[in-house]
Amino acid sequence: AQSVTQLDSQVPVFEEAPVELRCNYSSSVSVYLFWYVQYPNQGLQLLLKYLSGSTLVKGINGFEAEFNKSQTSFHLRKPSVHISDTAEYFCAVSGRNDMRFGAGTRLTVKP
Amino acid sequence: GAVVSQHPSRVICKSGTSVKIECRSLDFQATTMFWYRQFPKQSLMLMATSNEGSKATYEQGVEKDKFLINHASLTLSTLTVTSAHPEDSSFYICSASSGFGRTEAFFGQGTRLTVV
Repeated sequence: AQSVTQLDSQVPVFEEAPVELRCNYSSSVSVYLFWYVQYPNQGLQLLLKYLSGSTLVKGINGFEAEFNKSQTSFHLRKPSVHISDTAEYFCAVSGRNDMRFGAGTRLTVKP
Repeated sequence: GAVVSQHPSRVICKSGTSVKIECRSLDFQATTMFWYRQFPKQSLMLMATSNEGSKATYEQGVEKDKFLINHASLTLSTLTVTSAHPEDSSFYICSASSGFGRTEAFFGQGTRLTVV
């Protein structure tokens, strides 16, 4: 079975600063990796995904992530955040027939 | 992306009654659907995985008789919380995939269940 660890439960940053949300995974099989964003009382919206090919993946809203197989990581980055990026972010790994989520990182962007 | 509709978005029920939550894939055939439960400020906990036409596979610790899952068609899965109790109050989210979990899963908007 696969598992996901999000290393930071909360990340406060100032507006226009860069941010990195960290994610590590473990799996005995090859996996697909995802980042989702969740706003209060809503479902999840896909930011980006890694299925194969280039290890640098670009997503919506200016986010990108890099798949590092040797370090089993899939960290999410944004060079300049906005107030509207304040939300909960979940890293997820998909294996043979399920999808597992990390505990989430609460990103708070301050003015 | 594909659209998954979850209904209702909010429901309040009395203790001891049953509640059904629907999850529909509107523009694709969902081979696999997942049901998650999310407690406040916590991550999504996978409750069960269902493949169309088969019995759901429940995660350890999830009561099959309490959380009934039906995936009778490629576009509809239902979760019924039977004999609900206040501790069942939670946010329930479904997701649907056209592949066997390895492709992207699309999420419904969630259902806030409150048992009083």
